[in-house]
Amino acid sequence: GESVGLHLPTLSVQEGDNSIINCAYSNSASDYFIWYKQESGKGPQFIIDIRSNMDKRQGQRVTVLLNKTVKHLSLQIAATQPGDSAVYFCAENIGGGATNKLIFGTGTLLAVQP
Amino acid sequence: NAGVTQTPKFQVLKTGQSMTLQCAQDMNHNSMYWYRQDPGMGLRLIYYSASEGTTDKGEVPNGYNVSRLNKREFSLRLESAAPSQTSVYFCASTSTGGTGELFFGEGSRLTVL
Repeated sequence: GESVGLHLPTLSVQEGDNSIINCAYSNSASDYFIWYKQESGKGPQFIIDIRSNMDKRQGQRVTVLLNKTVKHLSLQIAATQPGDSAVYFCAENIGGGATNKLIFGTGTLLAVQP
Repeated sequence: NAGVTQTPKFQVLKTGQSMTLQCAQDMNHNSMYWYRQDPGMGLRLIYYSASEGTTDKGEVPNGYNVSRLNKREFSLRLESAAPSQTSVYFCASTSTGGTGELFFGEGSRLTVL
């Protein structure tokens, strides 16, 4: 598999517990913030996004919170399952709709213990 | 639909050799991107093409060139490979507008000896 999990911050949770993955961003002008999930040996997959004028958005089992005051983004996963084990990246869209230029964070490895 | 297809999936080069990574998407997307991923450093943008006929530098463009061949295809070329270019390369695409949800290929693992 990929070696991208090495040297990454790791969050270890028990199956069924809730997970919270945090991310700090740098550009105050970003329009959108996006969370991606990357499983071993695969490309990143979109999970959920949030516009800069919102502070919370919910999806299926996932919630994203945005705190613009401290430039902080979090992803909450409810009832974490073994299939949620992956590396999670936040990304900020600094290009706007015309170019969609995304800058990614370094990622967090989520390890779900059965 | 295949989505985003990258070739080759694996490649080993010697220092100084050249090669081209190919990427094609079948989703009629306007924008295409090349990222590299190194351990502990997330994904870094190399080059992108907002639309057919345009290309722009990303965060780490040095040592690379790109060609937007047509709307479907976006290639990445290493003219003289260096060990520092050992990485996993991802191609992605998206539509203009929207939130910036990128669709990624499966990646190309490049090792430069």
